[in-house]
Amino acid sequence: AQRVTQPEKLLSVFKGAPVELKCNYSYSGSPELFWYVQYSRQRLQLLLRHISRESIKGFTADLNKGETSFHLKKPFAQEEDSAMYYCALGPYGNKLVFGAGTILRVKS
Amino acid sequence: DTGVSQDPRHKITKRGQNVTFRCDPISEHNRLYWYRQTLGQGPEFLTYFQNEAQLEKSRLLSDRFSAERPKGSFSTLEIQRTEQGDSAMYLCASSSLNRGGMSRGEQFFGPGTRLTVL
Repeated sequence: AQRVTQPEKLLSVFKGAPVELKCNYSYSGSPELFWYVQYSRQRLQLLLRHISRESIKGFTADLNKGETSFHLKKPFAQEEDSAMYYCALGPYGNKLVFGAGTILRVKS
Repeated sequence: DTGVSQDPRHKITKRGQNVTFRCDPISEHNRLYWYRQTLGQGPEFLTYFQNEAQLEKSRLLSDRFSAERPKGSFSTLEIQRTEQGDSAMYLCASSSLNRGGMSRGEQFFGPGTRLTVL
């Protein structure tokens, strides 16, 4: 079965502190993983995906198949990073299986 | 705005009534998805279309739910005999396929329709 686990409902950090949002997945095949973000009063949008291996808004995420993890990291949090973050598993571009989400609050 | 649009944005109905939601995807996108999101949870997959063909339905989609995409453009999601447990945000998303017919992976989401069943 496909499953995504985000263990933290809320992560609160101070501005300038490092951020790590955790994501673990369960999937027997070759996974395709994404991070989606939803800012206040905006729609859900793609932040990054593991295939692209890019850094978006200072965020990076590395797929670790051994640990079945896809943690989202940023070295220095900014107030505008405050949002809801969802990790999603989408084998071969079909349906997305989402985690429950983590609220990131960056305090000044 | 050329993004995914959904109508209505909010719907309040009484238990037992039928409701229908509409989704207009990004115009060149072949694939259209419906998800449901309840409080404190991530979106849960309901069904998806490739052009007008409905290719997969979740077990969450009971017999009271039906979705169509008759001309491969907009889609409708109908819920018959609504129940209080149907109260949720209903999200639509679309994505494109490349020339080789492979999905490009990214799904573009609409603003959602919030359904409240009294």
